[in-house]
Amino acid sequence: EVQLVESGGGLVQPGGSVRLSCAASGFTFSSNSMNWVRQAPGKGLEWVSYISSGSSATHYADSVKGRITISRDDAKNSLYLQMNSLRAEDTAVYYCVRWWGVLPAATFDYWGQGTLVTVSS
Amino acid sequence: QSVLTQPPSVSAAPGQKVTISCSGSSSNIGNNYVSWYQQLPGTAPKLLIYENNKRPSGIPDRFSGSRSGTSATLGITGLQTGDEADFYCGTWDNSLSAYVFGTGTKVTVL
Repeated sequence: EVQLVESGGGLVQPGGSVRLSCAASGFTFSSNSMNWVRQAPGKGLEWVSYISSGSSATHYADSVKGRITISRDDAKNSLYLQMNSLRAEDTAVYYCVRWWGVLPAATFDYWGQGTLVTVSS
Repeated sequence: QSVLTQPPSVSAAPGQKVTISCSGSSSNIGNNYVSWYQQLPGTAPKLLIYENNKRPSGIPDRFSGSRSGTSATLGITGLQTGDEADFYCGTWDNSLSAYVFGTGTKVTVL
């Protein structure tokens, strides 16, 4: 069974940093590209970042570019999101999501339960 | 703001049918396959439809998807109270080099 378990969320001051982690199991993690998707309270879904299998390619949403770094450790079956210079508008539930398939036919097939990041003083 | 536009809400009585539209452009829906995600209250989203019209294992055939040009549609037949949820379309945008989601549609069973 595919499982994605996020951790690392919490209350962070504006301008602060946080590192989110996602522990993956039930599939060959190293063979899959991965993503982070976030959802602000009461709002819709917003894609944040993508990392390919082997870490050869990364993509970021314009709203977080320059402030966020996605990475992975295939030996630990783990995905990470380093978030710096946090703003109130970064407050959201952050989901770890598996990328399945190849463009133009790729999709998000498995989602974690999410971890809440609250940016507030 | 989202580049894919959905109606904020749709509703129907139990057993009836609803359709949800997702309008995009040639840089996204027009050249990439569309997925649909269901988010039940208080839970993480779940894949409902991929590659425009395919259902993952376990998704009932009451749910269907289609794409025409730069728009996509999700259909739900035999509506049940358990279908009350938020639904999002999504696809890759070649111009933005980003995955884009629709604005989301809340389905209410009357």
